[in-house]
Amino acid sequence: QVQLVESGGGVVQPGRSLRLSCVASGFTFSSYPMHWVRQSPGKGLEWVAIVSYDGSNKYYADSVKGRFTISRDNSMDTLYLQMSSPRPDDTAIYYCARIRAPTTGDAFDIWGRGTMVTVS
Amino acid sequence: DIQMTQSPSTLSASVGDRVTITCRASQSLSGSLAWYQQRPGKAPNLLIYKVSILESGVPSRFSGSGSGTEFTLTISSLQPDDFATYYCQQYKTYSWTFGQGTRVEIK
Repeated sequence: QVQLVESGGGVVQPGRSLRLSCVASGFTFSSYPMHWVRQSPGKGLEWVAIVSYDGSNKYYADSVKGRFTISRDNSMDTLYLQMSSPRPDDTAIYYCARIRAPTTGDAFDIWGRGTMVTVS
Repeated sequence: DIQMTQSPSTLSASVGDRVTITCRASQSLSGSLAWYQQRPGKAPNLLIYKVSILESGVPSRFSGSGSGTEFTLTISSLQPDDFATYYCQQYKTYSWTFGQGTRVEIK
């Protein structure tokens, strides 16, 4: 069963760090670029970051650039999001998501259930 | 960044109604458009990709169309499970953006 499971969310003070994890199962994790997407309470979806299949290329939304770092460990089938210097407006549910085909430009076909981060 | 604008923001409809949601992009997407459904408390679920291709397992009452900068999602006969929020998304550029969402509620 293809699955993504996030963890690591919680309450964090502004300026402190937090690391989110996303464990993949049921597919060849190392073949797929992976994304983080977030959703503030009662709001829409905002793309956060992408990492290439091998971790060599990373892109970020302007809102998190320089503060968040996306990474992956293909030996552990795990995606990470290091949140440094979080702000109250980073409060959101954070989802990891897989691209439908193992290329960079495609829709997101598998989503985790999300992990809630509250910056306060 | 490419801006995505959906309309309407909220839509009231009854079971059996035909429903259409519009999504406009600030520049041409060359077919790189997807639609998602999100039920309350759940993660988004991919419905359609490449404008009109139905994801596996999605009921055939959902369809997508459009080109360039204007796209539509149509539900041919609304079912109770379809009351949810729908998002369009562009994946043409390295800054994936979503529309603000259209909430489909019971009339």
